[in-house]
Amino acid sequence: EIVLTQSPGTLSLSPGERATLSCRTSQSVGSWLGWYQQKPGQAPRLLIYDASNRPTGTPARFSGSGSGTDFTLTISSLEPEDFAVYYCQQRSDWPRTFGQGTRVEIK
Amino acid sequence: QVQLQQSGPGLVKPSQTLSLTCAISGDSVSRNSAAWNWIRQSPSRGLEWLGRTFYRSKWSHDYAESVKSRISVNPDTSKNQFSLQLNSVTPDDTGVYYCARAQDIVGDYMDVWGKGTAVTVSS
Repeated sequence: EIVLTQSPGTLSLSPGERATLSCRTSQSVGSWLGWYQQKPGQAPRLLIYDASNRPTGTPARFSGSGSGTDFTLTISSLEPEDFAVYYCQQRSDWPRTFGQGTRVEIK
Repeated sequence: QVQLQQSGPGLVKPSQTLSLTCAISGDSVSRNSAAWNWIRQSPSRGLEWLGRTFYRSKWSHDYAESVKSRISVNPDTSKNQFSLQLNSVTPDDTGVYYCARAQDIVGDYMDVWGKGTAVTVSS
């Protein structure tokens, strides 16, 4: 199965700062990578699909990039509600697999 | 607005069957551009996709190899819901179980989730 490795494990930033999260896959997934946000006690929420597409409702400050094996989620200016855990997920192959998550915490 | 309402026991004994149901409102389990998934989350395993059911002129299923011999995901069109059955559970199956919709318009990613059911496997 395809293994997804996210870095860093934890990102300590202040509101208004830029966040850059990385996801690396063990083999190429083309552009078939998505990003989710999860807050404590809640289910994950889809933020980005197919590397760079925002579903309806995802704020424009969230952007995704990358292809092949290296992907990035960028939050241009952190809002208080953005402090959460972020997961990447591939849909290139079965089973669908997730990264282990990056926690974005308030510095 | 699509909502997924999960139900089922929070405690299951080892070797028994874990059974959860996900009731769908605002969408149809039979829609041919959607798929209905079960995912679990635990500190040891992280987020783990378990299986799905979907209709494309006939009903089909996909399952993770890790649980393939023990899992069944089935639709119930009369109640517009789908279910998870996981047999022969062990404490390693403890976690939060989520149902989720995936649809073609968002690249088959999971765009609507249930609230989750915390399941403990213990005698």
